[in-house]
Amino acid sequence: SYELTQPPSVSVSPGQTARITCSADVLANQYAYWYQQRPGQAPVLVIYEDRQRASGIPERFSGSSSGTTVTLTISGVQPEDEGDYYCQSADRSGPWVFGGGTKLTVL
Amino acid sequence: EVQLVQSGAEVKKAGESLKISCKGSGYKFSDYWIGWVRQMPGKGLEWMGTIYPGDSDTRYSPSFQGQVIISVDKSINTAYLQWSNLQAPDTAKYYCARRAMVVEAHYFDLWGQGTLLTVSS
Repeated sequence: SYELTQPPSVSVSPGQTARITCSADVLANQYAYWYQQRPGQAPVLVIYEDRQRASGIPERFSGSSSGTTVTLTISGVQPEDEGDYYCQSADRSGPWVFGGGTKLTVL
Repeated sequence: EVQLVQSGAEVKKAGESLKISCKGSGYKFSDYWIGWVRQMPGKGLEWMGTIYPGDSDTRYSPSFQGQVIISVDKSINTAYLQWSNLQAPDTAKYYCARRAMVVEAHYFDLWGQGTLLTVSS
């Protein structure tokens, strides 16, 4: 098995750019997916296949990949973007793995 | 409206059994895998397993194999997660989620609202 490593927390002021990373060797060969979980709510898919924005997700959310690290970027952060963000990946036959989550604080 | 609606919060005692449910609507339920995800208090997400309603093919995370049973009744568009011997560490919120129907898709594109389970010792 493997682990997806995320920073525990990221803080930005409104209007700034937030970048949340997720790292693992397997990400060089597997897609990553990102979920947003606002306080007290269920997770919501934000990005799939490294960089594809899910339906209904604002354009300020984008994803990128470089080697063994994927990055979720939120440009022009809004107060409503505050919450926990999880990356996730899986291979064809193995268990699905979530990262430990990153708490985004909008100052 | 496309949605997954889960059963309500449960309070149980250690040693008891439980089955929680997840009902899909607004889409062809039998065509999409349904997964279960655990979130312990203040912690992250953990994939427990998935089931395909079309033929009940089930995959478990090694961490949960033998600890829970995932099942489905496609006639009523409902998936289930059950325990036979609850323990205090099972206290968590449990989410069901729909796996995207894209070739080689390994992500959830729709989530239920979650079922909070509290187990007292």
